[in-house]
Amino acid sequence: AQSVTQLGSHVSVSEGALVLLRCNYSSSVPPYLFWYVQYPNQGLQLLLKYTTGATLVKGINGFEAEFKKSETSFHLTKPSAHMSDAAEYFCAVSDPSGGYQKVTFGTGTKLQVIP
Amino acid sequence: DTAVSQTPKYLVTQMGNDKSIKCEQNLGHDTMYWYKQDSKKFLKIMFSYNNKELIINETVPNRFSPKSPDKAHLNLHINSLELGDSAVYFCASSQVTGDGYTFGSGTRLTVV
Repeated sequence: AQSVTQLGSHVSVSEGALVLLRCNYSSSVPPYLFWYVQYPNQGLQLLLKYTTGATLVKGINGFEAEFKKSETSFHLTKPSAHMSDAAEYFCAVSDPSGGYQKVTFGTGTKLQVIP
Repeated sequence: DTAVSQTPKYLVTQMGNDKSIKCEQNLGHDTMYWYKQDSKKFLKIMFSYNNKELIINETVPNRFSPKSPDKAHLNLHINSLELGDSAVYFCASSQVTGDGYTFGSGTRLTVV
């Protein structure tokens, strides 16, 4: 069964510092990979995705992620944190065995940005 | 022009009651989903419909019954509500799985 692990339920960074949120997946076949952001009392919003092709993907709000097959990772980064980045971030994978229909979410990482 | 809209946004009800949550998408997507987010923010898929056909039915109590009258609507009916049903329920839709989901803003269900 597909699974995804997010290391660190809480991450704190200073404003202007690098943001690194970690995500590892388990799959013998490369899945589709996603990062979502959830602001308080809102639904999830797609930040970026990897399906095939270029392994470095860029998303909205200056975020990017790199798919590393050898490390089964899809870490999310942003060079310079902004106060508005404070939110919950979810990594997600879709299961190739099920025709990519089923998406499994990680447990989330809450990002705190310190002024 | 809300893409995926859920109603109601908040729902407070007593144990044992029956309630429904409605979801509509105006994106023309073929697939719709229900997810449950618990108090620890964990998201778990419940159901998925593709063009009115049930394609994912996770291990969910049979008190939960989805219904899709057409591909733009997916409703969730819950019978005999229990305290443990308290959560935020999210509707989502997608056209092609690789495109990712568009989520609604959620329905916060509180069972007292």
